[in-house]
Amino acid sequence: GESVGLHLPTLSVQEGDNSIINCAYSNSASDYFIWYKQESGKGPQFIIDIRSNMDKRQGQRVTVLLNKTVKHLSLQIAATQPGDSAVYFCAEAISSGSARQLTFGSGTQLTVLP
Amino acid sequence: EPEVTQTPSHQVTQMGQEVILRCVPISNHLYFYWYRQILGQKVEFLVSFYNNEISEKSEIFDDQFSVERPDGSNFTLKIRSTKLEDSAMYFCASRKQGAANEKLFFGSGTQLSVL
Repeated sequence: GESVGLHLPTLSVQEGDNSIINCAYSNSASDYFIWYKQESGKGPQFIIDIRSNMDKRQGQRVTVLLNKTVKHLSLQIAATQPGDSAVYFCAEAISSGSARQLTFGSGTQLTVLP
Repeated sequence: EPEVTQTPSHQVTQMGQEVILRCVPISNHLYFYWYRQILGQKVEFLVSFYNNEISEKSEIFDDQFSVERPDGSNFTLKIRSTKLEDSAMYFCASRKQGAANEKLFFGSGTQLSVL
């Protein structure tokens, strides 16, 4: 079946460097994508979303890039801080669809090194 | 900032016992959800709830599961007769009126361990 997946299960970066977390999706019908952050012992926290009519969206220190041609999504975190250490999930959905169609990826563990 | 709260944070139970997981969604939210995450696996959808009834449920949400909104603030998930494979982190989520799937707010979860 179709699924959302992540290229790298773990990523370590130096504090202050930029981080890039990647995600591949395979459902060509998906038109809405979300990045969540999950800190240890907490639930997923919404970071940023993007619709398929855009290829880039910026938030505070975060940028999401969407490449529909290769079905690829990335999350860029600028000037990574220790508080950014967490598991990051991408999720895909059909915006006109139902809640069960929100599909989560496996997650990438980001570790920020001092 | 308003948040979804879940209790208890950890629940240990014997196989075959009933458990009730509790959630208090954000007060002005209208759509409520339960998800679960088995250790090392993806977050999975269980059920969505709106206007005091189930909107949608997954294959996981069988007859052993039920949800209820007993009053204006709580949203509960009941598992009637727990199985070992029900051991997981259970997340409650809620959202405002609007397009489906937008900006779910998740609670911190209840870690259920079935022995």
